[in-house]
Amino acid sequence: EAGVTQSPTHLIKTRGQQATLRCSPISGHTSVYWYQQALGLGLQFLLWYDEGEERNRGNFPPRFSGRQFPNYSSELNVNALELEDSALYLCASSFREGYGYTFGSGTRLTVV
Amino acid sequence: TQLLEQSPQFLSIQEGENLTVYCNSSSVFSSLQWYRQEPGEGPVLLVTVVTGGEVKKLKRLTFQFGDARKDSSLHITAAQPGDTGLYLCAGVKAAGNKLTFGGGTRVLVKP
Repeated sequence: EAGVTQSPTHLIKTRGQQATLRCSPISGHTSVYWYQQALGLGLQFLLWYDEGEERNRGNFPPRFSGRQFPNYSSELNVNALELEDSALYLCASSFREGYGYTFGSGTRLTVV
Repeated sequence: TQLLEQSPQFLSIQEGENLTVYCNSSSVFSSLQWYRQEPGEGPVLLVTVVTGGEVKKLKRLTFQFGDARKDSSLHITAAQPGDTGLYLCAGVKAAGNKLTFGGGTRVLVKP
């Protein structure tokens, strides 16, 4: 069974540009979660999608947005990139609420 | 201030020694999970605890959920270099809530 896949693995952008990160959940998982992990720190919750709807959102500015497609894959968009957005962005999926999360390997975003 | 506080932040021990990582909060959680993350990878789920006082064992790892469901601990017996990694606790306060992570404990086991 394929795990959670994220693309690209690395992304370098210039300040002010937009970044698009993609995530494919495990087959059968309908919930997708996005987290930001700055270097050496814990995970900060960004967004939670379930059945195509945004279920919850973390304390991030509106330039962080996303969506979930009918096949449950998801996209995270970050507009007007700032240097502080440089981090590892992790996507996770779960079978349903309350179950453990399966994480992808992440997208390393570097803003220069 | 983090909802879940992990201690210590960093732990360096010799192979064969024991270690304990703590995860504390002033809030009650309906469930608590422990993950391990290695460099360049996403966190991997180790265990989920849901009942106050619950103890779960996974080979040399012992996980305990506090009676009041506000805290948890992870104990590793006879640590091995393969146990090296970032250990993260994460909790859900109630149904419909997001999974909140602690700041992590970085463990280094030297051969």
